[in-house]
Amino acid sequence: KAGVTQTPRYLIKTRGQQVTLSCSPISGHRSVSWYQQTPGQGLQFLFEYFSETQRNKGNFPGRFSGRQFSNSRSEMNVSTLELGDSALYLCASSFDREIGNEQFFGPGTRLTVL
Amino acid sequence: DAKTTQPPSMDCAEGRAANLPCNHSTISGNEYVYWYRQIHSQGPQYIIHGLKNNETNEMASLIITEDRKSSTLILPHATLRDTAVYYCIVRPLYNQGGKLIFGQGTELSVKP
Repeated sequence: KAGVTQTPRYLIKTRGQQVTLSCSPISGHRSVSWYQQTPGQGLQFLFEYFSETQRNKGNFPGRFSGRQFSNSRSEMNVSTLELGDSALYLCASSFDREIGNEQFFGPGTRLTVL
Repeated sequence: DAKTTQPPSMDCAEGRAANLPCNHSTISGNEYVYWYRQIHSQGPQYIIHGLKNNETNEMASLIITEDRKSSTLILPHATLRDTAVYYCIVRPLYNQGGKLIFGQGTELSVKP
């Protein structure tokens, strides 16, 4: 079956703009999590959605937001972009939230903020 | 913050076993040990997880010490394609859902 897909794969924006990234989970998966990866901070958890509700949130400012649709697809939005938001944004899906259901990661969206 | 400590880098000869250590001395009784790896420019990939017993699957073996304060991931016959950053993660049984706390990981280089 198809893996986790993320669009777009690459994105270039300028400071002050906003951006929306999309994630389509594996068919049947209901939990979607988002991560930010930078050389300095490594992989950091942003938030998790399950059944269209945010279930977990990392330590990021309110400029970072997300949502999940009834078909489990998810989007994340970053408003008022800063240079430091340049990163690889990864989405992961799992069947549900229980331990033992491993997460499958997508290839990521590479965001560059100029 | 991550609850694990890993060496930043390791080398392994192709065809030999790669043994990647992880220290998780503050692990509690309801926390699992998970291993993921990330090949350059790809998303992380699940490898294996365990609670207190040793585990084996088609990719690797996980050896957890009796006191559960450390573990070792074993790739029995490393290939060049196993070159990646390997992350050891401690994950609570409850209320964490999809939240994974990644540390800095170990960069494994498999050399011919």
